[in-house]
This record gives sequence, structure tokens and C-alpha cells, in this order.
Amino acid sequence: GDSVTQMEGPVTLSEEAFLTINCTYTATGYPSLFWYVQYPGEGLQLLLKATKADDKGSNKGFEATYRKETTSFHLEKGSVQVSDSAVYFCALPNTGNQFYFGTGTSLTVIP
Amino acid sequence: NAGVTQTPKFRILKIGQSMTLQCTQDMNHNYMYWYRQDPGMGLKLIYYSVGAGITDKGEVPNGYNVSRSTTEDFPLRLELAAPSQTSVYFCASRRTSGGSGGELFFGEGSRLTVL
Repeated sequence: GDSVTQMEGPVTLSEEAFLTINCTYTATGYPSLFWYVQYPGEGLQLLLKATKADDKGSNKGFEATYRKETTSFHLEKGSVQVSDSAVYFCALPNTGNQFYFGTGTSLTVIP
Repeated sequence: NAGVTQTPKFRILKIGQSMTLQCTQDMNHNYMYWYRQDPGMGLKLIYYSVGAGITDKGEVPNGYNVSRSTTEDFPLRLELAAPSQTSVYFCASRRTSGGSGGELFFGEGSRLTVL
């Protein structure tokens, strides 16, 4: 069945470091792919998405490219800030009506 | 634009009590979902609905009930609360079905503690 596998955390980085959070997926067909972010004490909010193969989603300096050949959607940011400290979730909808979420990766950025 | 609104934000229940978590959305979305998030864990789907009058079970439906009498509202009922239901509950909605791009919009969450 459809699923996402996300890099385990927690991840701790210094400010201005490069971030990669890995996400791979298993899916029937070619669904849209999403990254959600959850700041402390808040609900999840959409960070970025890609709707087809080779699409690059981007927002707030974060990027992720939909790679069909490697079934991946890795999240990257060139220079993280303290304000990026949050939990990040990779997600995909199945061909029915449900959304599958990864287990989440907690990021802490220290000054 | 309010989006998805959940109430209450916090609640403490005693074992065996019942309560309803309210969720309403003003985006005219057909699809609505209830998730729970245990500390340090990901999201687990409890129930979902594809439209008024239609509901279906997710991964962890036991101990919960839902109804969907209108497009806007999707309340989650906890019957006979148990400590295992201590969690943060999120309601979400989306416009489209399937894999074609419709993102989920989340409420701010309801933190429930059962003692």
C-alpha cells in the first residue's frame, strides 16, 4: 500500500548550517507530495508541495524535488535559522481519500 | 478567513466521562478528518468524512464516534474516556480527493488529558 518513510530525528544544527531531511514514498500512480511543518504548540501547516514528477516545491527558503526515479522528496534548506526549529512531516494522499504522514523529524537549530 | 476551528483547546477529563470535540470549517471543503498525535509521535487517522452524511473509520477508531450532518461541522465524540485517549487531536479539511494536489488544512488542535 501507499506509504512514506521519513528520516528519523531528532536533528540538531547550528544556525546557517545546511539541512536535509530525507523522505521516500511508495505509491500507486503519481500523487502530489507535501511537506508540512509543526511549530511548538501549533497545528500542522503546509510548507511546500509538488504535484508531478520533477516539480520543485519551495517556500521560506526550503525546497524539495519530486524524484520519480528514486521515489524521493527530500527537504532541503541552505542556511537554517533558529526560527526553523519545528517538526517536519512528509505526506502523500492516496488514490482514495486518506493522507499518509511520515513519523515526523524534529529539528532544533541552535544559535 | 477562519479556516478550520477546533474547540475546546484544552480539556481534562476523568476516566469514564464523555465529551465532544468540535470542528468547523468555513472553506466549503467536502473532506474532513480527525487525527490524534501522541507525544513525540506522528499522526494517526481516527475517522474521516467525504461529505455530509458519510463517515468512515481510519486507523484508530475504537473509543470514538463521529457525525457529519453539515458540510461545515465534523464533531468527534469520546465515549467512556480512558487514559489511552490522552493526546492532541487535530481536525483537518481538504477540497479535493485522491492524489491530485488538494492540501490538508489543519486546526490548531485540542489537547485532551484523561486522568
